[in-house]
Amino acid sequence: GDSVTQTEGLVTVTEGLPVKLNCTYQTTYLTIAFFWYVQYLNEAPQVLLKSSTDNKRTEHQGFHATLHKSSSSFHLQKSSAQLSDSALYYCARYTGYQNFYFGKGTSLTVIP
Amino acid sequence: ETAVFQTPNYHVTQVGNEVSFNCKQTLGHDTMYWYKQDSKKLLKIMFSYNNKQLIVNETVPRRFSPQSSDKAHLNLRIKSVEPEDSAVYLCASSFRLGVNYAEQFFGPGTRLTVL
Repeated sequence: GDSVTQTEGLVTVTEGLPVKLNCTYQTTYLTIAFFWYVQYLNEAPQVLLKSSTDNKRTEHQGFHATLHKSSSSFHLQKSSAQLSDSALYYCARYTGYQNFYFGKGTSLTVIP
Repeated sequence: ETAVFQTPNYHVTQVGNEVSFNCKQTLGHDTMYWYKQDSKKLLKIMFSYNNKQLIVNETVPRRFSPQSSDKAHLNLRIKSVEPEDSAVYLCASSFRLGVNYAEQFFGPGTRLTVL
C-alpha cells in the first residue's frame, strides 16, 4: 500500500553539528511531489521544501533534500543545526487528486 | 493580509453535542482541506474540496461533514462529538494546478476538547 516512513520519535542534535531526518516511502501510485513541512511550537505546519524532480537537490533556509525515486527516499539534511531549528518535521507525499500522505513526524531538538 | 483563518481557536464541549468550525482563506487558492492532528501529533487528512468536488478519507466517521459556500470557505461540522474527537483540527488550502500546486498553507488550528 501507500505509506511514508520517517525517522521516528525524537532526534536531538548539538548546535553546529549536522542533522539528517530520514524519509522513505512505499507506493502503489505515481508520486507527483514530495514535501517537508515544519511545525514550530504552537504554530501551524508550513512548507519547508518541495520536490517533484528525481535526483534534483532542493534547498531552503539551510536545509536541503533530494528526491531519489530509485531508493524511494527524500531525506532532509542540514550541515549545521541551529537552536531555532527545534521543531516538528513532517515528510509528505502528494499523489495527485488532492491525496496527501504524511509521515508520523520527527521532533527535532537542537541543544547548545 | 493573505492567509488561512480559523475560528474558534479553542472549543470545549460535551459528548453528543454538535460543533462547527470555520475556515476562510484569502490566498486565492482553489482547493481546501481539513486535517486532524491528534495528541501524538499524527496528521490525518479528512477532506479535500475543489470546484464542488469533495474527496473524503474513508476512515473519517460519518458524523464529520464539510460545508462550503464558495472556494474561499470550508467549514467543518461534527454532528455528535465523541471523546476520541478531541484533537486539533487544521484547515489548509492550495492550488490544484500550476507552478505552486499542492503546496499547502495551514491555518492556526482549532483545538477541540470533548468532556
